[in-house]
Amino acid sequence: GAVVSQHPSRVICKSGTSVKIECRSLDFQATTMFWYRQFPKQSLMLMATSNEGSKATYEQGVEKDKFLINHASLTLSTLTVTSAHPEDSSFYICSARERRENTEAFFGQGTRLTVV
Amino acid sequence: KNQVEQSPQSLIILEGKNCTLQCNYTVSPFSNLRWYKQDTGRGPVSLTIMTFSENTKSNGRYTATLDADTKQSSLHITASQLSDSASYICVVSGRVAGGGNKLTFGTGTQLKVEL
Repeated sequence: GAVVSQHPSRVICKSGTSVKIECRSLDFQATTMFWYRQFPKQSLMLMATSNEGSKATYEQGVEKDKFLINHASLTLSTLTVTSAHPEDSSFYICSARERRENTEAFFGQGTRLTVV
Repeated sequence: KNQVEQSPQSLIILEGKNCTLQCNYTVSPFSNLRWYKQDTGRGPVSLTIMTFSENTKSNGRYTATLDADTKQSSLHITASQLSDSASYICVVSGRVAGGGNKLTFGTGTQLKVEL
């Protein structure tokens, strides 16, 4: 299957700072990327969907000013957690899809964010 | 409302034994169903994908079944190994207006294989 690389795999930051997570599709062009959040022992929760070159669509309850998503190219999307607080500590996972009609989405390896 | 429910929530089995995980869904209109394996601290990895017309599909020691009439799926793991310890997530893709697809995730079954 296609490869989606997420970086960093782990990050620890201080409260009030911002953290950027990158998601790259290595061997295909991702017209759509998805960002998920996962709490311990829970399933993935979709935060937002981003299409290349346009604004992200956020799920209900997700603050777009808190979680900034940029999908400026067909191989890179970034999630920036702004003014992070301890409650933002979570496992963040991205996935990428090549074409809209495709249902196959490949997942990155996830980023463990800890805000202290 | 589209939902995917999995059972059991957690399961412990001895190495070498078989097990079956269940997935019930209400997603409509249905596009396909996938089973993923997620190791702790890692992203999900696809095991099988099944469309409406497929009843069973195997991938090594993993065999998935689908009953589209009753909207149920199962994942059978044969001759379990310690490395099978992970969360197994059932994900159903439903068609949405405009030609796209939307994924609905189950909460997963946490499997632990012990010696």
